[in-house]
Amino acid sequence: GAGVSQSPSNKVTEKGKDVELRCDPISGHTALYWYRQSLGQGLEFLIYFQGNSAPDKSGLPSDRFSAERTGGSVSTLTIQRTQQEDSAVYLCASSFGLGITSLHFGNGTRLTVT
Amino acid sequence: AQKVTQAQTEISVVEKEDVTLDCVYETRDTTYYLFWYKQPPSGELVFLIRRNSFDEQNEISGRYSWNFQKSTSSFNFTITASQVVDSAVYFCALSGSNTGNQFYFGTGTSLTVIP
Repeated sequence: GAGVSQSPSNKVTEKGKDVELRCDPISGHTALYWYRQSLGQGLEFLIYFQGNSAPDKSGLPSDRFSAERTGGSVSTLTIQRTQQEDSAVYLCASSFGLGITSLHFGNGTRLTVT
Repeated sequence: AQKVTQAQTEISVVEKEDVTLDCVYETRDTTYYLFWYKQPPSGELVFLIRRNSFDEQNEISGRYSWNFQKSTSSFNFTITASQVVDSAVYFCALSGSNTGNQFYFGTGTSLTVIP
């Protein structure tokens, strides 16, 4: 696609429910990153993928968070038993390579946990 | 440790004024990359520039210019003759050859250009 696509753009869920956030990277981009941005805060690294593997999961806040990537393309970030502190904008980015090429960001998914 | 510090949380300037956004970084890598991103009110982060650690030549692109100084570990961003459309949050970021391919972002500087 022309850019990184994330869906849904907005998600409101009740505390305790599970949510899935989707990211479609730019075609051909092998690296995919997930970040979280809380209101007025910087970008918090969550996880990155090289192909379908995730060498660094250290940023995931808890075991309620998981992510996968299939076919070297689409990625899904799953949050189980959501809590109010999970409310944030979840940003996905992709790039041709790791760590040295520029990141291309999607518009994010705004998650609100009530 | 890898770290990016943007000490300026919020800046307001009047249109047509020049403004400099500061970025100071820490890294033990000898090869690393520095970036600036712009996040307008619409929310999508937009890549502005990448600079590698071996290239200290300053760069100018229209009203934007970047001053990279390894001696002070700084990568400052100047907007000349600011415009209302420059209002956004600006993030500085760092990645290095030994950082596990992570990008380390500063906390951002919110710039408001007043007409």
